[in-house]
Amino acid sequence: DIQMTQSPSSLSASVGDTVTITCRASQAISTYLSWYQQKPGRAPNLLIYAASTLQSGVPSRFSGSGSGTDFTLSISNLQPEDFATYHCQQTNSVPFTFGPGTKVDLK
Amino acid sequence: EMQVVESGGGLVQPGGSLRLSCAASGFTFSNSAMSWVRQAPGKGLEWVSAVSGSGSRTYYADSVRGRFTISRDNSKNTLYLQMSSLSVEDSAVYYCTKSPIVGTTRAHGMDVWGQGTTLIVSS
Repeated sequence: DIQMTQSPSSLSASVGDTVTITCRASQAISTYLSWYQQKPGRAPNLLIYAASTLQSGVPSRFSGSGSGTDFTLSISNLQPEDFATYHCQQTNSVPFTFGPGTKVDLK
Repeated sequence: EMQVVESGGGLVQPGGSLRLSCAASGFTFSNSAMSWVRQAPGKGLEWVSAVSGSGSRTYYADSVRGRFTISRDNSKNTLYLQMSSLSVEDSAVYYCTKSPIVGTTRAHGMDVWGQGTTLIVSS
């Protein structure tokens, strides 16, 4: 199975900041990498798929990059509604494993 | 609007069984692979199982293989997860998702999620 790791596990930021979250796969997954945002008590919401493609309706302040084993999610000009937990997921091979999540909270 | 709605969660004793359902609308269900993803309280997301659009191919996480069975009824636009030999470790919110699983479309991620249904396994 492909293991996914994320760093940091949590971070504190202010409105207007730029934050970057890293996701690493235990083996190469090409660009079969998605990012999800999840708020407390809510279902995850797809932000980015294929490592860098923005899902329809997602603000352009979100961006993704990477291929192979190393990926990043960046959020520029952080907004109050962006404080949430972010999960990466590989869909290169079953089981479609998720990273442990990164919680972004208000500094 | 694409939508999935889960139901069937509840309180079950260890060793018991339960079936979850997921009603889909707003997209061509029979053409869509589907997955179940769960989240234990305070924990991360865990992919549980997936099924192809036709229902002919199924996939399971090691943690549930042999105990859970995924199926679908395309005439009813409904996905199921039959769970047996339940343990406290299976307690979680279970999400139904639209989820490409083969070919290059699997890069598209899980773009439709339900609100989840909660399973509590406790004596």
